[in-house]
Amino acid sequence: DSGVTQTPKHLITATGQRVTLRCSPRSGDLSVYWYQQSLDQGLQFLIQYYNGEERAKGNILERFSAQQFPDLHSELNLSSLELGDSALYFCASSHLQGNGYTFGSGTRLTVV
Amino acid sequence: AQSVTQLDSQVPVFEEAPVELRCNYSSSVSVYLFWYVQYPNQGLQLLLKYLSGSTLVKGINGFEAEFNKSQTSFHLRKPSVHISDTAEYFCAVSVKAAGNKLTFGGGTRVLVKP
Repeated sequence: DSGVTQTPKHLITATGQRVTLRCSPRSGDLSVYWYQQSLDQGLQFLIQYYNGEERAKGNILERFSAQQFPDLHSELNLSSLELGDSALYFCASSHLQGNGYTFGSGTRLTVV
Repeated sequence: AQSVTQLDSQVPVFEEAPVELRCNYSSSVSVYLFWYVQYPNQGLQLLLKYLSGSTLVKGINGFEAEFNKSQTSFHLRKPSVHISDTAEYFCAVSVKAAGNKLTFGGGTRVLVKP
């Protein structure tokens, strides 16, 4: 157990739908990062939050949004889903720069 | 912006043989360097990291990596692999002055054969 909790582990939904992925960071970590992993794109950085504030944005589609709540958990919202959104979505957390990330086990999203 | 290139997408290797996974990075400023491992159906786990100091870094599970600033490389090595080392390995870089965002390479899939 890495200490980073992601729910749900698996999600199957239809095109056009909206889903919410949840992440609880490791205790004491203020930063949360979201990554998408797919076979053709590899690991793509989506967005980072630090203590509730958006800190950095990567290749995140406009249909996707995220937030970090006062208790530091984060949610990634994916809407108007397309088949190409099927991927593994990872959350990671960190405390100090240079310590790297601690990853969760991911949410596998399948859009049918 | 920084980038990471993992030169081999797949590396087949026999059990108890040595393995080297190559990683080159590009950045105009100082960086931190990392190697992560991803076992099937799992998240990424930190193997080792280079922050500063000695260029030879030892990590978990017998892995080590050497930072070479002149060649902008951070190759990962293990002298003798086990079947359990079958996994995907990712090299990553973060820029020291720009927060903690990691940029990952494309990954190298290691298949250890008996």
